[in-house]
Amino acid sequence: DAKTTQPNSMESNEEEPVHLPCNHSTISGTDYIHWYRQLPSQGPEYVIHGLTSNVNNRMASLAIAEDRKSSTLILHRATLRDAAVYYCTADSWGKLQFGAGTQVVVTP
Amino acid sequence: NAGVTQTPKFQVLKTGQSMTLQCAQDMNHEYMSWYRQDPGMGLRLIHYSVGAGITDQGEVPNGYNVSRSTTEDFPLRLLSAAPSQTSVYFCASSRTGKNYGYTFGSGTRLTVV
Repeated sequence: DAKTTQPNSMESNEEEPVHLPCNHSTISGTDYIHWYRQLPSQGPEYVIHGLTSNVNNRMASLAIAEDRKSSTLILHRATLRDAAVYYCTADSWGKLQFGAGTQVVVTP
Repeated sequence: NAGVTQTPKFQVLKTGQSMTLQCAQDMNHEYMSWYRQDPGMGLRLIHYSVGAGITDQGEVPNGYNVSRSTTEDFPLRLLSAAPSQTSVYFCASSRTGKNYGYTFGSGTRLTVV
């Protein structure tokens, strides 16, 4: 099973970009990389996912390394509402493998 | 759409008691799964299902049973509750295949005393 490794925490100033790295060197060639975020006392919320190409949506961008051993979630302009724990996971046919996540702190 | 609904939201059990955590989704998703989250930790997979009648074990299945008789429901049964099962439990669902995001419920906070 794929294991993901993320930094414990990252800080950002409001309205600045945030780059969240994730290592997933053991990911299968067909597993998608998913990102979720979790606010206190809530369930995880889907952010973005991808396989090989970089992906963009209204919430964030996902940059996937060419060798697929790492990826970076990019929040383009952090707001106070983006303060959460962000999880990088691997999707393997009905199951997600979570790491410990990165606590994002946004400073006004 | 209600999404993924988990009941109850809170539960206190005595050691040795059994109970069932309910999970229902109204999105016709084939994939459903259960996770537990201990304080300050990430989510760990307990059991998952890729369709009605099909279930499999995840990372931490001991002490839990599941069945999937319908597409909509995926209950998690605690056979004999232990203090080590004190945790927050999340249910998730997704469409078949890997190219879809998962929807999570709001969780059940379980305390075993």
